[in-house]
Amino acid sequence: DAGVTQSPTHLIKTRGQQVTLRCSPKSGHDTVSWYQQALGQGPQFIFQYYEEEERQRGNFPDRFSGHQFPNYSSELNVNALLLGDSALYLCASSAKLRNGGDTQYFGPGTRLTVL
Amino acid sequence: QKEVEQNSGPLSVPEGAIASLNCTYSDRGSQSFFWYRQYSGKSPELIMSIYSNGDKEDGRFTAQLNKASQYVSLLIRDSQPSDSATYLCAVATSGGSYIPTFGRGTSLIVHP
Repeated sequence: DAGVTQSPTHLIKTRGQQVTLRCSPKSGHDTVSWYQQALGQGPQFIFQYYEEEERQRGNFPDRFSGHQFPNYSSELNVNALLLGDSALYLCASSAKLRNGGDTQYFGPGTRLTVL
Repeated sequence: QKEVEQNSGPLSVPEGAIASLNCTYSDRGSQSFFWYRQYSGKSPELIMSIYSNGDKEDGRFTAQLNKASQYVSLLIRDSQPSDSATYLCAVATSGGSYIPTFGRGTSLIVHP
């Protein structure tokens, strides 16, 4: 049973550039969430995709956008990169529980460095 | 603003001891509680989930939840050096578009 996969593992960009990160959810999961984790901080929620639509969004600017494909995989796009966008970007896929909640399983992450 | 508070540590315990990690949360509507372990440079790994008041045990790990006090803890018995990591507490309100709020994590160091 394949877990959550992400690509690439590491990425180095310069300010002003654009980046696309990719995620494939765990088998049987249909919901994908993206998080940004800065050094020494907990993961901060960016947005969540379900049925190819953005279902909820955190407090991130419009430079952050995403997409979910029919096979449930997802992309995170960041435009006009800033130095402060340097972080570990985590994708989490989830499965609905009987109580209505979800348990999120994280992929290995993409380490983005903006120079 | 939903908040999840954790002492950043580091918490240092000797090998074989019990490590106690604590977390408080602000949203009284929270119903799902999770502990993740994160090794340096790696992604968070789910180790425990708890939904009802009381204790839940899984191997060397015990999660404790007290909704009245808005407090959740994780006990690690017989701590091993391999338990050295950052432990993230996550709290969510069940139903709908479930989005957990994470604390900043507590760094645990288990020394031989």
